[in-house]
Amino acid sequence: DIVMTQSPDSLAVSLGERATINCKSSQSVLYSSNNKDYLAWYQQKPGQPPKLLIYWASSRKSGVPDRFSGSGSGTNFTLTINSLQAEDVAVYYCQQHYNTPYTFGQGTKLEI
Amino acid sequence: QVQLQESGPGLVKPSGTLTLTCAVSGGSISSNYWWSWVRQPPGKGLEWIGEWIGEVYRSGSSNYNPSLKSRVTISVDKSKNQFSLKLNSVTAADTAVYYCARDSANSGWFDYWGQGILVTVSS
Repeated sequence: DIVMTQSPDSLAVSLGERATINCKSSQSVLYSSNNKDYLAWYQQKPGQPPKLLIYWASSRKSGVPDRFSGSGSGTNFTLTINSLQAEDVAVYYCQQHYNTPYTFGQGTKLEI
Repeated sequence: QVQLQESGPGLVKPSGTLTLTCAVSGGSISSNYWWSWVRQPPGKGLEWIGEWIGEVYRSGSSNYNPSLKSRVTISVDKSKNQFSLKLNSVTAADTAVYYCARDSANSGWFDYWGQGILVTVSS
């Protein structure tokens, strides 16, 4: 199985500032045949299911605010949230969709 | 707009079978999407359980997490537009919120989720 490791486990960021969450995979999730990284990011608020934010490492899902962005390739990835808003308080998960079993990071709790 | 809704018992006895159903509305389950189950123990992270692959690929087969493969079955009922999860020989470690989810791009990410159902394994 591909092991996904996020850092930090939690972080506190001031309103209007930038939050950065890292995700590292135990093996590359880059498919050389299409040059795509099979890495997704989700946001989960208390009592709610996860919400897809980013797929292919950097493609933002329609309707997701553009302050959310994903970057990285191979084994190292970053979710950046610019101009942090109060509604961004949540737990964020990365997930590899390179192969089954699909696996998630342990989550990063973002607070204000 | 596609909606998914989980249903089933909220309490299952140890060594019993956990059976959940995910009703799909706003779209056909017979389309070329992949359908998954994901669970989340209270206060913990997400674990993918398995998926049913749409009929375009491999005539509607299933993939399971090897950690659960011996105990899991995912099936589809096209007449009811729903898919199901069966997990045998449950223990307290199977206590979790269970989510059903759709993979619209057949690429392993999940863009539609049910609200989740808490299943507790206890006598």
